[in-house]
Amino acid sequence: DAGITQSPRYKITETGRQVTLMCHQTWSHSYMFWYRQDLGHGLRLIYYSAAADITDKGEVPDGYVVSRSKTENFPLTLESATRSQTSVYFCASSVAGSYEQYFGPGTRLTVT
Amino acid sequence: QQPVQSPQAVILREGEDAVINCSSSKALYSVHWYRQKHGEAPVFLMILLKGGEQKGHEKISASFNEKKQQSSLYLTASQLSYSGTYFCGTVPLLTYSGGGADGLTFGKGTHLIIQP
Repeated sequence: DAGITQSPRYKITETGRQVTLMCHQTWSHSYMFWYRQDLGHGLRLIYYSAAADITDKGEVPDGYVVSRSKTENFPLTLESATRSQTSVYFCASSVAGSYEQYFGPGTRLTVT
Repeated sequence: QQPVQSPQAVILREGEDAVINCSSSKALYSVHWYRQKHGEAPVFLMILLKGGEQKGHEKISASFNEKKQQSSLYLTASQLSYSGTYFCGTVPLLTYSGGGADGLTFGKGTHLIIQP
């Protein structure tokens, strides 16, 4: 199906484990973003990417790693999960030259 | 720094009007409005660019006062479908890199409840 998808939709993991959240878009959008959403904080930018192999830190990048070897994929890795990383994670994409971001359905991550 | 949204929550009867405000301490290039329904992803509503323009989309419109670094979202004759959380996202003028590659700095959101 066309669009932007995230997997898994729900994940429970233990403190200290590595976990990777996947994001895939079929529109060939140049720009991709990762946000986390927490009660009382709204949406906060973790990392963004302007193109394959170009990534940059956002507001809250500590504890996260991203890569973008292909335009359509933008995985987010928590190297050693902590309870403070329990959150809903949204991936988004946009066309080059546009600020209209399209969000994926989100991944609800719980770190125990 | 996140933009500040007000009010935090508002409850309206169907057909009433609402105004949601977004204020930043930084000079802005643009303001973006999104709506998120419970359990769903945020959905784009509109963008306002530096220049003080006002935009509209059916009964939802917005303004951007670049001198005050403020934007307001106006919902006229609200419908039940307008319920949700509204977020403003901002791109500071200082960090604007052109073309949309910047991520957005979102406010904490305004919860809008429309009752029949």
